[in-house]
Amino acid sequence: DQQVKQNSPSLSVQEGRISILNCDYTNSMFDYFLWYKKYPAEGPTFLISISSIKDKNEDGRFTVFLNKSAKHLSLHIVPSQPGDSAVYFCAATANQAGTALIFGKGTTLSVSS
Amino acid sequence: DGGITQSPKYLFRKEGQNVTLSCEQNLNHDAMYWYRQDPGQGLRLIYYSQIVNDFQKGDIAEGYSVSREKKESFPLTVTSAQKNPTAFYLCASSIYSGNSPLHFGNGTRLTVT
Repeated sequence: DQQVKQNSPSLSVQEGRISILNCDYTNSMFDYFLWYKKYPAEGPTFLISISSIKDKNEDGRFTVFLNKSAKHLSLHIVPSQPGDSAVYFCAATANQAGTALIFGKGTTLSVSS
Repeated sequence: DGGITQSPKYLFRKEGQNVTLSCEQNLNHDAMYWYRQDPGQGLRLIYYSQIVNDFQKGDIAEGYSVSREKKESFPLTVTSAQKNPTAFYLCASSIYSGNSPLHFGNGTRLTVT
């Protein structure tokens, strides 16, 4: 059973517009959430994270929102750029030693110019 | 330059042969991880290690083995018991397990025929 779900396999947006990528989780013990970006044949790179004590975290063009009651988080990219085209993975973990990140299946973002 | 090195980038083996994938990090991280990526499946955890001489099974450990004799190194052996070994394998490390971002290598593409 998937604990981290990204229900949209793909998303297409125009350059300059907002990209919104969504993620849902089922494990109420998760308290730390991350987004990664991945290009083909490369390892994922860390983008941004959020702890469950916050509901928003911002870093430049990237903002992550967390709704704990809905067990939902989203990544907003504003403005979107063609270089943002990649696969985006949502990941979650619980704040305990001995745990590892659980990843969603990813959403492929395509930004057209 | 600190980072994670996976070698080789591409690896080809005949069915029935064991093969070992290398992962080395010079980030002085305590925790190391192996994930597998298949199309449409996201990243699935194979094994992880919090400290030297200790490791735990992930969600899909069957047919794989690991060792952690040194802090810097976490090799993964894909045995002949692994039914679908062809995949993209990603090694990662983090300062500690739990709430800290993972840093990934660039992966090894294993093809078994």
